[in-house]
Amino acid sequence: AQTVTQSQPEMSVQEAETVTLSCTYDTSENNYYLFWYKQPPSRQMILVIRQEAYKQQNATENRFSVNFQKAAKSFSLKISDSQLGDTAMYFCAFMKNYGGGADGLTFGKGTHLIIQP
Amino acid sequence: DTAVSQTPKYLVTQMGNDKSIKCEQNLGHDTMYWYKQDSKKFLKIMFSYNNKELIINETVPNRFSPKSPDKAHLNLHINSLELGDSAVYFCASSSGAGSYEQYFGPGTRLTVT
Repeated sequence: AQTVTQSQPEMSVQEAETVTLSCTYDTSENNYYLFWYKQPPSRQMILVIRQEAYKQQNATENRFSVNFQKAAKSFSLKISDSQLGDTAMYFCAFMKNYGGGADGLTFGKGTHLIIQP
Repeated sequence: DTAVSQTPKYLVTQMGNDKSIKCEQNLGHDTMYWYKQDSKKFLKIMFSYNNKELIINETVPNRFSPKSPDKAHLNLHINSLELGDSAVYFCASSSGAGSYEQYFGPGTRLTVT
C-alpha cells in the first residue's frame, strides 16, 4: 500500500510571497500519478496540478509548479506571487496507473495555507 | 452545467436511520468514486465503479452500499447510521482512459445526531 505524508499542517505567508508545500510518498509502484488538490472553505475539491511519474519534466500551471524528485519520492508544490484566493487546504495525492484509471486517490493529511494581506 | 452533482448537500439525521446520497455526472465518464472526509479533513477512498462494476471496496462497514443504476449515477446508501458516520462524502468521476483527473462533486455533509 502507498502512503502520502504532508509534514506541514499549517503555513502562513504574506500576499505576493512564494511558498512551498512539502509532500513525500512511499510506494513500490513504478507507474503512477501525483496530484495537488486545493480545497477552499467552499469545500469544493479543485485540481491544481498533475505529474506523471514517467515524465522527468516538472509540471507547471501558471503560478503553480512542482518539484518532482522520483528517487527521493518527493513532490513539493511551489506557489509564486501568492494571492488571497490561494488560502485553502492543499492535499497531495497519489494514484497508481493501472491503465484502466479506476484506481482511487490516496491523500495526504493536508496543509492549511493562509495568505495574509 | 454542473459536471458532478450530489444531493443533498446537507443531511442531518438521527442514529439508526437509513439514508441515501445521490451522485450524477454529465461528463460521460466511465468511472465513479465515493470518498469520505472526516472531521480532521482526512480524505479516504471508499468505493470505485467502472462501467457499473465495483472495482474498489475499501474496508468500509457493510452498512454502506453503493449502487450504480447506470454509468452516470453512483448512489451511496447507508443503513443504521452511527455517530461516527458524520463526515463529508464526496462523489467523483474520471474518464479512466488517457486522463486520470478526477472531477469532484460539491460534497454532502452528513451529520448524525
